[in-house]
Amino acid sequence: EVQLVESGGDLVQPGGSLRLSCAASGFTFSAYAMSWVRQAPGKGLEWVSGIRGGGDITYYTDSVKGRFTISRDNSKSTLYLHIDGLRAEDTAVYYCAKNPNYDILSGYYFEYWGQGTLVTVSS
Amino acid sequence: QSVLTQPPSASGTPGQRVTISCSGSSSNIGTNYVYWYQQLPGTAPKLLIYRNDQRPSGVPDRFSGSKSGTSASLAISGLRSEDEADYYCAAWDDSLSELFGTGTRVTV
Repeated sequence: EVQLVESGGDLVQPGGSLRLSCAASGFTFSAYAMSWVRQAPGKGLEWVSGIRGGGDITYYTDSVKGRFTISRDNSKSTLYLHIDGLRAEDTAVYYCAKNPNYDILSGYYFEYWGQGTLVTVSS
Repeated sequence: QSVLTQPPSASGTPGQRVTISCSGSSSNIGTNYVYWYQQLPGTAPKLLIYRNDQRPSGVPDRFSGSKSGTSASLAISGLRSEDEADYYCAAWDDSLSELFGTGTRVTV
């Protein structure tokens, strides 16, 4: 059974940093691309970033480029999202999601989702 | 980056058929697959339809997807109370980003 468990969400001041983690189990982690999707309170879904199975190729939505860094440790079956320069508009539940292929450009969608971790940016 | 446009709400009575539209452009829906996600209240999204019209195992055949040109649709037939949820379409855009629809809340 595929399981994705996010952690690391917290209340952070504007300009602060945070690292989110997603522990994966139930599948061969290194064989699949992984992604982060966020949802601001009461709002819709927004894709944030994706990373290929080997961790060598990454993609970001424009609004987070230069501030967010997606990475993975395949030896620990863990996905990360490092966030710098947090802004109020980054307040959201951040979901980790498993993609169906190794490469993002081979057909990209979100097969399985974690339960999410809440990031709140406020002074 | 653009978004995919959906109606904010849709409703029906039990047993009815409801259709949700998703409008995009030639750089996303026009050239790539469309996916649909269901988000029940207070829960994480769940994959409902993949590659325009395919259902993952466990998704009832009451749910069906279609695509034509730069638009797509999700149909729910035999509407049930447990179908009350937010529904999102999604598609890859050739600008190397994933787009989600604006979301549609279905009320039964």
